[in-house]
Amino acid sequence: GAVVSQHPSRVICKSGTSVKIECRSLDFQATTMFWYRQFPKQSLMLMATSNEGSKATYEQGVEKDKFLINHASLTLSTLTVTSAHPEDSSFYICSVVLGSYNEQFFGPGTRLTVL
Amino acid sequence: DAKTTQPTSMDCAEGRAANLPCNHSTISGNEYVYWYRQIHSQGPQYTFLIHGLKNNETNEMASLIITEDRKSSTLILPHATLRDTAVYYCIVRDLGDYKLSFGAGTTVTVRA
Repeated sequence: GAVVSQHPSRVICKSGTSVKIECRSLDFQATTMFWYRQFPKQSLMLMATSNEGSKATYEQGVEKDKFLINHASLTLSTLTVTSAHPEDSSFYICSVVLGSYNEQFFGPGTRLTVL
Repeated sequence: DAKTTQPTSMDCAEGRAANLPCNHSTISGNEYVYWYRQIHSQGPQYTFLIHGLKNNETNEMASLIITEDRKSSTLILPHATLRDTAVYYCIVRDLGDYKLSFGAGTTVTVRA
C-alpha cells in the first residue's frame, strides 16, 4: 500500500496567489521528508529537506522565502509556493526515508499549474 | 557531478528479461547502488526497486548484479511486462546520505 500521500493531486491557481501542498506519511513517523520538483521532460530535482521541529534545508538556487516548508508533526510536511508565477508550474513531489537502508518512498506528486 | 551513466533508452520484448546496465566507476566503498523507476502512466510516481552494496540481490521485483570491482551493475527484470515500461534510475549514495540525485535514467519500452 501507499506509504506517502500528497494533497492536492493537482491544483490550478492564478498568478500571484499562494498554494499549499501537503505531504503525509502513512502509518509511520517521519522526522525527515524531502521536497522535489520535476519540470516536463526533466529529471527530478531536490528542492529542500524538511526536518520535523526545525528549519528546512534548501538546495542551492531554491528561494526559501518563496517555497515555505513547515514540518510541524512527524507525519505532515507542507510546502507553500508563495506568490506563484507561471514558471512555478511543475510537479512537486515529496518523499520520506524508511527502512534500515534508508530507502526513499515517494508521494504521488502534486501538479501545479499557475495561470 | 554525475556519479552514474546509463544508456538513454532500450527496448525489450514482453516476457523476456530486460538487462539495464549502469556504470559507476567512481563509487566509493561506503556507497550503495539503488534503483528506482518512474512509470509515467502513473503520474510522476517514483518507486524504489532494489539496492545493493557488493553482493548480488534479488527481490520480488528485480535482481541486481554488481561487478566484483563495483564499478558497474545491471538491473534485471526477469520477465518484462508491458507495465514495466518506465524510466529507470540508477543512483549511488552513502547509506547515511539521504539525498538522491536523479540523472536522466534509461527509458525502457517493453513491446508486445
